[in-house]
Amino acid sequence: EPEVTQTPSHQVTQMGQEVILRCVPISNHLYFYWYRQILGQKVEFLVSFYNNEISEKSEIFDDQFSVERPDGSNFTLKIRSTKLEDSAMYFCASSEGALAGTGELFFGEGSRLTVL
Amino acid sequence: AQSVAQPEDQVNVAEGNPLTVKCTYSVSGNPYLFWYVQYPNRGLQFLLKYITGDNLVKGSYGFEAEFNKSQTSFHLKKPSALVSDSALYFCAVSSLSGNTGKLIFGQGTTLQVKP
Repeated sequence: EPEVTQTPSHQVTQMGQEVILRCVPISNHLYFYWYRQILGQKVEFLVSFYNNEISEKSEIFDDQFSVERPDGSNFTLKIRSTKLEDSAMYFCASSEGALAGTGELFFGEGSRLTVL
Repeated sequence: AQSVAQPEDQVNVAEGNPLTVKCTYSVSGNPYLFWYVQYPNRGLQFLLKYITGDNLVKGSYGFEAEFNKSQTSFHLKKPSALVSDSALYFCAVSSLSGNTGKLIFGQGTTLQVKP
């Protein structure tokens, strides 16, 4: 069964460093997302991406964050200068269609980011 | 604002007994409702969704959910629980803002099924 894959599974970084989290969505999917889950808290939407541009972003997704689809398969989340509060599990997801239609999200297993 | 509430942090049930995990929502317009399950150290897995049509939705692993518009609820149910159902369950609603909509998750309910 096709799946969303994420790398790295765990990354430890120093505060202020740049981090890039990588995702390979399911190949025929057109919509891509990043969510995060701070330990013990609910899963939060960060950003959605469609047709090579951001279609929606949350207030969490400030100027420190950026997303890119550099080629036909990868979808990346960059945090320019990490803060302690960025420590979380980051989930990539993709869907074939929009949620308002028949789309459903398929999630990766997550990348745990620890900022020291 | 759109929101989802899961009033129980944890639900305990004996194997073989029916289970219910509660979810209520608040949205403007028609709700699109989802249930996801998260096993330890894994991503979220889709269980089922309600878009339109029958209020009783059947999904993966024998789970079902009932959409109740008057009570703004979308409770997850299973007639006979298995120990392997023990996991963290998230209810979510689609906001439909923007081109694709986004999922707004509840805080999650831990289901513990005891043998």
